[in-house]
Amino acid sequence: GAVVSQHPSRVICKSGTSVKIECRSLDFQATTMFWYRQFPKKSLMLMATSNEGSKATYEQGVEKDKFLINHASLTLSTLTVTSAHPEDSSFYICSARDTEGGHEQYFGPGTRLTVT
Amino acid sequence: AQRVTQPEKLLSVFKGAPVELKCNYSYSGSPELFWYVQYSRQRLQLLLRHISRESIKGFTADLNKGETSFHLKKPFAQEEDSAMYYCALGVDTDKLIFGTGTRLQVFP
Repeated sequence: GAVVSQHPSRVICKSGTSVKIECRSLDFQATTMFWYRQFPKKSLMLMATSNEGSKATYEQGVEKDKFLINHASLTLSTLTVTSAHPEDSSFYICSARDTEGGHEQYFGPGTRLTVT
Repeated sequence: AQRVTQPEKLLSVFKGAPVELKCNYSYSGSPELFWYVQYSRQRLQLLLRHISRESIKGFTADLNKGETSFHLKKPFAQEEDSAMYYCALGVDTDKLIFGTGTRLQVFP
């Protein structure tokens, strides 16, 4: 149980275009999902907390107009990287917290974004 | 400040040797600590949490509030333990703050 999927697993796009990444909780409901960015050989950086039915909460330094987050249902959150630039190239990971609560998070496999 | 520190980027041991991956935290509230593991080409997964006081795959971790530490230990390392290990601190109601991770290499 507690499986989180991400789609796509890998995407290449041109500068200036937008890319959408989906995060789904497959066998549980998640009122809260999280989006992280992982730089090479570095830790996970929390970008934002996605709450079902309400606006996402962004961490300091993360541009909310660039990284659009939508959490329309209890099993789906999307991250759209708008007007992508090469510096947005990274590994994006989502996680979901079971509605039962607590801090435990279940992680997706990640999405490798390359902006050319 | 809320912070998790893992001082070692890489820890290399031989099979059968004891392992200790260090983790220190800084948090003014009541801490909730976790260890996550990421095996090669796999997703991040929970290894253990301090609340459960359990042993998973032979690993244990004890929360020491006096030293603000949550070191991960295993008496006899196995080759399959080779992975990236992240210490994480639960803050606010639901967020996790991760350390920079320690890569454990277990040689045969």
